[in-house]
This record gives sequence, structure tokens and C-alpha cells, in this order.
Amino acid sequence: GAVVSQHPSRVICKSGTSVKIECRSLDFQATTMFWYRQFPKQSLMLMATSNEGSKATYEQGVEKDKFLINHASLTLSTLTVTSAHPEDSSFYICSARTLGSDTQYFGPGTRLTVL
Amino acid sequence: AQTVTQSQPEMSVQEAETVTLSCTYDTSESDYYLFWYKQPPSRQMILVIRQEAYKQQNATENRFSVNFQKAAKSFSLKISDSQLGDAAMYFCAYRSAIGGANSKLTFGKGITLSVRP
Repeated sequence: GAVVSQHPSRVICKSGTSVKIECRSLDFQATTMFWYRQFPKQSLMLMATSNEGSKATYEQGVEKDKFLINHASLTLSTLTVTSAHPEDSSFYICSARTLGSDTQYFGPGTRLTVL
Repeated sequence: AQTVTQSQPEMSVQEAETVTLSCTYDTSESDYYLFWYKQPPSRQMILVIRQEAYKQQNATENRFSVNFQKAAKSFSLKISDSQLGDAAMYFCAYRSAIGGANSKLTFGKGITLSVRP
């Protein structure tokens, strides 16, 4: 099956710093990538949808200046949490889908802890 | 807007037994996709099974099968011969067939399944 990787798997940073999370589709071209946030024992909350070469579309309530998403190629998307604060601590998951496919494949997630 | 409801937060099953996880959804669309995803303690989301709404036949994948009732807007997952590795959180999800590549998944709240040895 299709594989999506994320890096790093865990990151701890100080308040006020920025953190970049990478999401890669390893064996397929991801025309669309999705970024989710998940709190413990809860469902996935969609943050934004991105298409290669286009600006991301953010869900209502998600600050686009705080969560910068770049989808520069068909295999790579990045999420940058700018000026991170403790309330940004969460589990971030990316997902990818290729054109014509109805199935999304998920990365293993990144646990962000902001001190 | 579409909604997905998983009303049971937790379920437990004895190893080797069968368990059914419930899911209902609300939509005005006639063409869509339904999914069950598994999230084990590692938190890696794994696709368990998918169903296309225009197909009347229920999808099956080895020990996993669904009971898709389109008129009732119900999409339950049956796990047969439960194994310890089936213990996980299970999410039911809906995706519209329109909207193309940007069509989003709508998830239910999830259900935590435990398997008793």
C-alpha cells in the first residue's frame, strides 16, 4: 500500500520558537495533502488542505499565519508552527491522496510539545 | 454539512469472538465513500475497509466486514475472530464523491475497542 512518512516523530521546543514538520509520500504522487490535529482520545480535526503548487485552504478557526503550510512538490508538504506556545502542543498528522484515488493514506504523526 | 456519529465511546470483546461497531451518518448526497480507520496505540491511522455508496454489496477484508444500509444511513463494522492486535481506536469516516481531490474526510468521534484475552 501507499506509504506516507512524517518527520520528526517527536519534537520538544521552547515557547516562541518555530517548528517545521515534514510530510512525504514515498511511493506515489500526492496531489492533495491534508493536515490534522488530534488531542488525546479525540477525533482528528482537519486544519488545512493543500494542493501541490497552490496556497493551502485553511479550516475555519485555524490561523494561517501561525500554521504555515507549503506543498512545494508532489511528494512533500511541510507544516510550520510559528512562534509556538504550550497550547499548540498536540499530535499533528498529515495525510495524502493522489488524483483519481478515493483513499487517503496517513503519516505516523508528530507529537509536538512546547515548553 | 455531513455528519458522522459513533455513539458508543468504548466497547470490549473477548478474544476470538465477534464484535460490531456502529456508525451512522447524515448526508443529502447520493454518491459518497465510507471508511473505517483503525488507530492503534502507535497512533498510525490504518485503513481497515472502504465502501462505495453506489455499490450495494457490502465490503469485506478478511476478518473485517461492513453492514452498509444506505437508506438507514448506517455503516457498521464487524470484526470476526477478534485478536489482541485489534485493540485500537476505530474511526468511521465519510467522504463526498464530489469536490474532486480536495474532498474532505468527515470523521466520527471514534470508539475505543479493547480485546480481552
